[in-house]
Formats: sequence, C-alpha cells, structure tokens
Amino acid sequence: KNQVEQSPQSLIILEGKNCTLQCNYTVSPFSNLRWYKQDTGRGPVSLTIMTFSENTKSNGRYTATLDADTKQSSLHITASQLSDSASYICVVSAMDSSYKLIFGSGTRLLVRP
Amino acid sequence: NAGVMQNPRHLVRRRGQEARLRCSPMKGHSHVYWYRQLPEEGLKFMVYLQKENIIDESGMPKERFSAEFPKEGPSILRIQQVVRGDSAAYFCASSPTDGASGNTIYFGEGSWLTVV
Repeated sequence: KNQVEQSPQSLIILEGKNCTLQCNYTVSPFSNLRWYKQDTGRGPVSLTIMTFSENTKSNGRYTATLDADTKQSSLHITASQLSDSASYICVVSAMDSSYKLIFGSGTRLLVRP
Repeated sequence: NAGVMQNPRHLVRRRGQEARLRCSPMKGHSHVYWYRQLPEEGLKFMVYLQKENIIDESGMPKERFSAEFPKEGPSILRIQQVVRGDSAAYFCASSPTDGASGNTIYFGEGSWLTVV
C-alpha cells in the first residue's frame, strides 16, 4: 500500500534555530516527492519538488533531500522565523498516476520567540 | 496572476441538504483536482478533471458525490444529502499539465464544510 509517514508529529523550536523534518514513503514506482507548507486554515503551498534523479533541492531557507534507495526525505529549515510556524507536509506521487498526490499527515512546527 | 480561487470558504449545511463547492483554476491551467482533508488527517485525493472530462474519480465516494469541469465556468464539487461525516476541508488544485515530472500543483485556500 502506498503510504507516506512523517516524523516528528510536532516540534517546538526557538526562533533562529535550525530543524530537520523526516519523511519515509513506500510509494512505488516512485515519480516525485514534494514538500508543502500549510498554515492553519489555509491551503498547502509548494516548497520543493524532487524527481528520482535529484537528491537535494533548496528554496531559500528550506533545503530538501531525497534518498530514493532508502525511500527517505528530509526538510531542513535554517535560521527559523516565527512565520515558519505551520504544518510541513511530505507528498509523494507514483509513476503510474503522478497527478495523484499521496499526502503525509504533516509535522506541526511551532517557532517560539 | 490570481491563484486557485475557491468559494465559498465556509459553508454550513444541515443533514440532507446539498453542498456545492466551486473552484476556478489558475489562468492557463486546464487540469483540476479535488482533495478532502478530514480533521487531524492528511489530504486525500478525490478526483482529477480536465475540461469536460473526468480523468480519475477513484478517490470519490460512489454515492452522493459528483464533480464536473464544464467548458465554461468553474469546476464544481457537489455533495448531495450531506451527512455529518462529510464535514471536512475540501481543497481544489490546478496545474498547467498533468502534474507529472514534478510540475507544480497549486492549491486553493479550501472550502470548509460543516454539517449540522
């Protein structure tokens, strides 16, 4: 069964600190992996997209990594800001239906001053 | 360039009524997707449409739910005879192509349905 698991479920960090969020997936055959940010009561906003051949992608203070062999990804946030408080969702697509996004449950990040 | 527009943002319906959720994709996008997010859960795929065609409705409940994307006008997700379990956030997304090969899929702000 195609699944996406994320850890930790929630995380609290101090402003200015770095953090790393984890994602494991069992989706096969793999097409691509995305990270989205979702503020409470809002829609998901795309941060990064990686295909099989990519193992790292950056977007400002966000850096995603992908290990397609171990089926793991991470999202690293550098120098966190209060506005980073949100849910971060790992999303994977399978090759045979790459339009069908399979969402993890997200990691809820709270950045405290 | 306006994003994916959904309305209404919030909708309250009594059990047995109908709910209609509308979605206007981003300009130039002909691929529309609907996802449902139940409380404390991740988004789940419901249906994928192109203009006048349903491509994949494998995630949509067989009864009471229907979706369309007419030649003119927004995409509509229709839920007939709503029940309490239909209470959720319904997100529409769009893309210029079919989302393959890492093309960005853009989401709207969602329509929050509450069934009382």
